[in-house]
Amino acid sequence: KAGVTQTPRYLIKTRGQQVTLSCSPISGHRSVSWYQQTPGQGLQFLFEYFSETQRNKGNFPGRFSGRQFSNSRSEMNVSTLELGDSALYLCASSLAPTGTETQYFGPGTRLLVL
Amino acid sequence: GQNIDQPTEMTATEGAIVQINCTYQTSGFNGLFWYQQHAGEAPTFLSYNVLDGLEEKGRFSSFLSRSKGYSYLLLKELQMKDSASYLCAVRDQAGGGNKLTFGTGTQLKVEL
Repeated sequence: KAGVTQTPRYLIKTRGQQVTLSCSPISGHRSVSWYQQTPGQGLQFLFEYFSETQRNKGNFPGRFSGRQFSNSRSEMNVSTLELGDSALYLCASSLAPTGTETQYFGPGTRLLVL
Repeated sequence: GQNIDQPTEMTATEGAIVQINCTYQTSGFNGLFWYQQHAGEAPTFLSYNVLDGLEEKGRFSSFLSRSKGYSYLLLKELQMKDSASYLCAVRDQAGGGNKLTFGTGTQLKVEL
């Protein structure tokens, strides 16, 4: 079974631009979560989607948004990019958002904002 | 809110045993995870504890004490490939769902 896939793997943008990242979960997984990883802050939760609905949201500004499609694929968007948005963005999928379900991470999208 | 603490760095010798501790303070609790992350790679799942006690999986074991807000990951027969960052994460039941709060990770270096 294929793992979580994320595209693109690397991205360079300039301040003020916007970016869209894509995540395809493991087949059959319906819950998708997004995390931001930086050297200083570690892994921080952005948001979680299940059945096309946002279930949880982390403490990030409204410039960060996401959505999930009917096939469970998810996208996240960051508008008006800032230098501090440079990070590894990780997507994780699980069968469902409850119980003992384990999250499996994709390889991430490394975003550099210049 | 949640607070998760784990040591920043540890060094151990190949073939030895190492214990990585994690303490947490949470408003709710619905399980504790350990992940391994090699440099430049995605975190990979190691273990999950929701009840008190020890979970063993090959060379890796994880222990949880909910009353003490404490967990540890035990790695036996260390190998060079075990050099990585080990992340402790807690699932907060208050919000439901899969929101995980991660510690900053323990960078383990295995030496000859």
